[in-house]
Amino acid sequence: AQSVSQHNHHVILSEAASLELGCNYSYGGTVNLFWYVQYPGQHLQLLLKYFSGDPLVKGIKGFEAEFIKSKFSFNLRKPSVQWSDTAEYFCAVTRAGFQKLVFGTGTRLLVSP
Amino acid sequence: GAGVSQSPSNKVTEKGKDVELRCDPISGHTALYWYRQSLGQGLEFLIYFQGNSAPDKSGLPSDRFSAERTGGSVSTLTIQRTQQEDSAVYLCASSPRGGGSTDTQYFGPGTRLTVL
Repeated sequence: AQSVSQHNHHVILSEAASLELGCNYSYGGTVNLFWYVQYPGQHLQLLLKYFSGDPLVKGIKGFEAEFIKSKFSFNLRKPSVQWSDTAEYFCAVTRAGFQKLVFGTGTRLLVSP
Repeated sequence: GAGVSQSPSNKVTEKGKDVELRCDPISGHTALYWYRQSLGQGLEFLIYFQGNSAPDKSGLPSDRFSAERTGGSVSTLTIQRTQQEDSAVYLCASSPRGGGSTDTQYFGPGTRLTVL
């Protein structure tokens, strides 16, 4: 089935560690890729998105993601995490011509001070 | 308003009762979406509105679920004869343009529905 996969369900890091969260999708054709974040007690908000151009996308709060078309991947990275990055992170895809977001299962990140 | 608002924030109901969930999108946003977030199924798309029409209802899980949007603004998601498996957080989102696939969707805080 066509889907979005996030392989890490739970990640625990110490402050200042580097972060990489994996995201793979299985759709053919043109896709648009998103990372959303849900901080504790808050609603989903957009971190970054890619739909064309430079495959390395920079988002808010120092996050970036790289689209690698040959690997069907859109991994999220941050060089040095902070305690305030503790949240759940969702990768999502829309297919060209379709409006619905298809989400991965999410990755819970806990950053210990 | 400043963001997408949803009401109620929490709803507890008994199995078999009907419930209505409301979404107020960001002013001027033409596209509106409903999703639900549950432990077993993650985040799932339910329905998409462009103006008052719903060109994509493919995510509605059964005919007990329906939604409408009036005046190109407020939307109501109705669940009839609720079942325990309907327990979830129901999320509404809106986007500013024509609902294109590259649009950023802005999410509300959700309605947590518990069916006893």
